[in-house]
Amino acid sequence: DAKTTQPPSMDCAEGRAANLPCNHSTISGNEYVYWYRQIHSQGPQYIIHGLKNNETNEMASLIITEDRKSSTLILPHATLRDTAVYYCIVRVSGTYKYIFGTGTRLKVLA
Amino acid sequence: NAGVMQNPRHLVRRRGQEARLRCSPMKGHSHVYWYRQLPEEGLKFMVYLQKENIIDESGMPKERFSAEFPKEGPSILRIQQVVRGDSAAYFCASSPQAGPGLATYNEQFFGPGTRLTVL
Repeated sequence: DAKTTQPPSMDCAEGRAANLPCNHSTISGNEYVYWYRQIHSQGPQYIIHGLKNNETNEMASLIITEDRKSSTLILPHATLRDTAVYYCIVRVSGTYKYIFGTGTRLKVLA
Repeated sequence: NAGVMQNPRHLVRRRGQEARLRCSPMKGHSHVYWYRQLPEEGLKFMVYLQKENIIDESGMPKERFSAEFPKEGPSILRIQQVVRGDSAAYFCASSPQAGPGLATYNEQFFGPGTRLTVL
């Protein structure tokens, strides 16, 4: 079954880049990797997604390894408001079931 | 454009009662997902619905839980005869109509959640 593995927590100094890794070694060839974050206990917020190529948007960059078994979310200049739980998500191939995993609790320090 | 709405935001039930959770998707969205989140855990997929159809309910407990998304009105997640273990946050998400097949990018927009407490 699809599965994601992330470190449970990370700290990052304000203004520095935050690099959040994710292992998704069981991902199928045509499934996207999605990243969401959850601030406090609010509903998750979409950040970015990718398939094979690296992606960048106004919020973050996503680096996907060539074998697609892992990826890294990069917040280039972390702010205090980026403190949240970050989830790397994949879908079980052939279904509509999305796997969230336990996420990484990122704390941005002043 | 209003976001995904869920109500109630907080719901308290006694063991054995029924809980009804409502989700109104974003305007123009015809797909709804329901997730459950226990404290300090990630979200767990429960069910995926399109208007009037349950597409994937592989994450739903076999008993006491049901979901619907009628032609008119919100999607409803119904939990019968609640037990203390049902206490959790329940999130719904909506997405616009997906492209053909499963191999498509599909962004989900989440609601604020309903926090269910079973006494």
